[in-house]
Amino acid sequence: QQQVKQSPQSLIVQKGGISIINCAYENTAFDYFPWYQQFPGKGPALLIAIRPDVSEKKEGRFTISFNKSAKQFSLHIMDSQPGDSATYFCAASMRGSRLTFGEGTQLTVNP
Amino acid sequence: DGGITQSPKYLFRKEGQNVTLSCEQNLNHDAMYWYRQDPGQGLRLIYYSQIVNDFQKGDIAEGYSVSREKKESFPLTVTSAQKNPTAFYLCATKGGSWDGYTFGSGTRLTVV
Repeated sequence: QQQVKQSPQSLIVQKGGISIINCAYENTAFDYFPWYQQFPGKGPALLIAIRPDVSEKKEGRFTISFNKSAKQFSLHIMDSQPGDSATYFCAASMRGSRLTFGEGTQLTVNP
Repeated sequence: DGGITQSPKYLFRKEGQNVTLSCEQNLNHDAMYWYRQDPGQGLRLIYYSQIVNDFQKGDIAEGYSVSREKKESFPLTVTSAQKNPTAFYLCATKGGSWDGYTFGSGTRLTVV
């Protein structure tokens, strides 16, 4: 009930391409869905987050798509750049509670 | 400059020794968390605290201990009972109910 399943585990994309990372959850009480970006040797940093009252949120080249009925949400990175190469974590929580993280996706963007 | 300070960045200890990792924040956040990350792995919750003088076990608390005597500080002790302590340790804080986590830059602990 508390799990968040993330896929793929690793992803290789060419520069300029679209990177897509997917997450699925079971707990319908989750109401906050953030994505974190982590570079090697650094702590994760909040990238973008969405709440279930909207189906999409866009910030620059990063977009979250949210499908409440399917209990799925995804991160799209448009025009992927080598500097986007990092590990991405999705997460979910109920208001005020701790975050449940996905297993992470290692993204490599080739020049 | 608001943020989270984890120190030291790298830490080496001999097997059987206890070691304490520091986490200090000046964000005035109530909640603080400790995570462990192994190479190529996700984030596993060790302990968390939502208020001073109170803390709860996470998913992998065995072999670890914490204290929360001040709002700004949440030190983690890795005891000799932890069977495989070599890992990257991350401290995080959370402000309001709708806020995400803010992570520190981590401490890489190596036990030899």
